[in-house]
Parts: sequence; C-alpha cells; structure tokens
Amino acid sequence: AQRVTQPEKLLSVFKGAPVELKCNYSYSGSPELFWYVQYSRQRLQLLLRHISRESIKGFTADLNKGETSFHLKKPFAQEEDSAMYYCALKGGAQKLVFGQGTRLTINP
Amino acid sequence: DTGVSQNPRHKITKRGQNVTFRCDPISEHNRLYWYRQTLGQGPEFLTYFQNEAQLEKSRLLSDRFSAERPKGSFSTLEIQRTEQGDSAMYLCASSLGSRDLTTGYTFGSGTRLTVV
Repeated sequence: AQRVTQPEKLLSVFKGAPVELKCNYSYSGSPELFWYVQYSRQRLQLLLRHISRESIKGFTADLNKGETSFHLKKPFAQEEDSAMYYCALKGGAQKLVFGQGTRLTINP
Repeated sequence: DTGVSQNPRHKITKRGQNVTFRCDPISEHNRLYWYRQTLGQGPEFLTYFQNEAQLEKSRLLSDRFSAERPKGSFSTLEIQRTEQGDSAMYLCASSLGSRDLTTGYTFGSGTRLTVV
C-alpha cells in the first residue's frame, strides 16, 4: 500500500528561523515524491519534486530511501511562506497519494 | 487558457438530492483526476481518466458516484442520493501524461459541496 505521513498538522516558527516539514512514505518500489503548497485563498500548486533536485523559493527536499523520508527544508523562513503544505507520492499507478498536510505559520 | 476550471464553486443541496460537478482541464492535458478533500485531511484520490477512458477508481467511489469524460475534454462528477458524509471539497486536476513528473498536476479551485 502507498501511504504518506506528515506527523505535524501545525508548525509555527519565527521569521528568519529554519523550517523543516517532515514527510515519511510507505511504498515498496521506487517512488516519485512531490511537495504541493496551498496559499490562503489559492489553489493547490506544485512546489517541487524530488526528481529535479531543485530549490524553489528557497525550499529544498531530499529523498532518503533508507529512512523513507522526503522532508522539506528552508534555512530562513519568510512570512510569505505561511501556507498549507502537502507531501505527495506517485507510485506505480498514475495517481498521487497525499499526506494530511502541515499548516506552516511564520511569525513576524 | 486559464488553467483548470471547476463549476460550480459552491453547492448546497438537501440530503437525497443528486448533484453534478463539472471540470474543464487545461486543453492539451490528456489526464484528468478527481479528488475529494475533507476538513483537516489531504486530497483523497477518487478516479482518473486518460483521454475519455476511466482507468482507475478508488474504493471511496461508491455506486452513488459516477464520473464521465465523454470526449476526452471536460469531465463531470455526479453524486446520486447525496448523504451528509459527502460534504467535502471536490478537486479536479489535469496533467500531460508525458510530463507528469516534471510539471506535476494542475489543480482547479474545487467545488465545495455541503449536504444539509
């Protein structure tokens, strides 16, 4: 079975502090992992994907197959980072399986 | 092209009534997905089309739910004999199959269903 776990429903940090949103997955094969973000009153949108190993808006995420994790990190949080973040997995099927999401709040 | 469009944005219906939602994907996208999202949860997969063919349905999609994509363009999701447990945000997404891994899915704004 494919499963994504985001253990923190809420995460609050101060502006300028480092941020780490945790994501663990369960899948027996080689997964494709994504982070999606939903800003207030906006639609769900792709933030980054592990296959491209990119940095978007200062965020990075590394796939750790040994720990089955894909944590999202940013060294210095900004107020505009406040949003709902979803980790998602694409296994052998075409569908994305999402975690419950983490609401990130950046305090000024 | 303004992205994935969903109508209506909100729907309030009485229990037992039928409702139908529409999704217009990005025109060149051949794949279309329906998800359901309840409060405090991530989106849950319902069904998926490649062109006009419905290729996968979730166990969440009971007999009261039916989805179509008759010409491989827009899609409709119908819920018959609605129940209060059907209250949720229904999300549609589309993708270009050959570029799923690079561009991901494009989501619509969703249709919020409230069953009273």
